[in-house]
Amino acid sequence: GGIITQTPKFLIGQEGQKLTLKCQQNFNHDTMYWYRQDSGKGLRLIYYSITENDLQKGDLSEGYDASREKKSSFSLTVTSAQKNEMAVFLCASSIDSFGAGNTLYFGEGSRLIVV
Amino acid sequence: SQWGEENLQALSIQEGEDVTMNCSYKTYTTVVQWYRQKSGKGPAQLILIRSNEREKRSGRLRATLDTSSQSSSLSITGTLATDTAVYFCATAQNSNNRIFFGDGTQLVVKP
Repeated sequence: GGIITQTPKFLIGQEGQKLTLKCQQNFNHDTMYWYRQDSGKGLRLIYYSITENDLQKGDLSEGYDASREKKSSFSLTVTSAQKNEMAVFLCASSIDSFGAGNTLYFGEGSRLIVV
Repeated sequence: SQWGEENLQALSIQEGEDVTMNCSYKTYTTVVQWYRQKSGKGPAQLILIRSNEREKRSGRLRATLDTSSQSSSLSITGTLATDTAVYFCATAQNSNNRIFFGDGTQLVVKP
């Protein structure tokens, strides 16, 4: 089996700061995702990537950048952290197409705290 | 509002009871997947149902899909306290990799 590792588990930054979350997977999956989960709410898609160096925007991409320089890693940057975006950020991967019935495998999440 | 912006629906039941959770989706999808998220963890897939299936079973789980009303349900029979979690449905927009998760149900099963 594989694993998705998200670092750091907690990311504390100041308002206006640029902050980066990292995600590594050893499944050798093509597709990777970043979701944001606000407290007591569902998951919203920020960015996804179907292969190395590919980036696709989700519904919540404004204020975020993403990078997929290697197949195994997908990073997310909060370009200017705001207090109203304190949330848990979840990284996931799948072999290729969800539409084909492939499972998403998630990391345990990174909690963003803005002070 | 977009999916994921609403508060989770909350359900509280006693161990041993059966429960059904519902999900409505907005665009065509070839697959509906149901995920469970335990506290402090990422979601994990429970069951998958394809658009050409009306029902799928796996152990104590039963998923249904009605493509005409764009809705799906997940039933759990004989719930256990360990079933306490948040349950989400997930669909793909236009069969691509743009995946959306439903608003979710917070299920509490009391021992």
